[in-house]
Amino acid sequence: EAAVTQSPRSKVAVTGGKVTLSCHQTNNHDYMYWYRQDTGHGLRLIHYSYVADSTEKGDIPDGYKASRPSQENFSLILELASLSQTAVYFCASSASLSGNTLYFGEGSRLIVV
Amino acid sequence: QQKVQQSPESLSVPEGGMASLNCTSSDRNFQYFWWYRQHSGEGPKALMSIFSDGDKKEGRFTAHLNKASLHVSLHIRDSQPSDSALYFCAARRGNYAQGLTFGLGTRVSVFP
Repeated sequence: EAAVTQSPRSKVAVTGGKVTLSCHQTNNHDYMYWYRQDTGHGLRLIHYSYVADSTEKGDIPDGYKASRPSQENFSLILELASLSQTAVYFCASSASLSGNTLYFGEGSRLIVV
Repeated sequence: QQKVQQSPESLSVPEGGMASLNCTSSDRNFQYFWWYRQHSGEGPKALMSIFSDGDKKEGRFTAHLNKASLHVSLHIRDSQPSDSALYFCAARRGNYAQGLTFGLGTRVSVFP
């Protein structure tokens, strides 16, 4: 099974501060994703990438940037964290050979105060 | 508007009983479906995918897809306490890279 690791697992950030969430996958998957989970909203796609050095906007990209410096690493950046960005963030990876089944990490819980 | 809708929101099932979950898509571009399960404090894990009309069985789990109505269901036979979790239905368009669109989930509780 795909191994996707996220860091940090938990973080408290100050409003207006910068937050970087990191994701690393070890299964040579082409595609990587960042999702946000909130009660009542399920999982929503923020950004995704299908190749290193390229990222695409998902359904809710406002307030977030993404970076894919290598096939294995995918970061989510909150330049100016806001209270509304308090949520659990999940990174996932997939490969077309697996029919695009997404393999998720364990999540990063972010609290903005 | 939620493009993948799940029902019920929550479900209580006796141990050994059958749990039935439903999912409908309002987007005819969605042709491929997954069921994911998420235990508290963990990331979602794929249970099974279904792409063709009809039934697909994996162990105690059976999924059914009706492409004409874009309705997919999941049935859990002989429910166990470990099946208590949040279950998501997810769907994909034809483009692999664009990821999956998830429903809001069904909370399943298995009681002894």
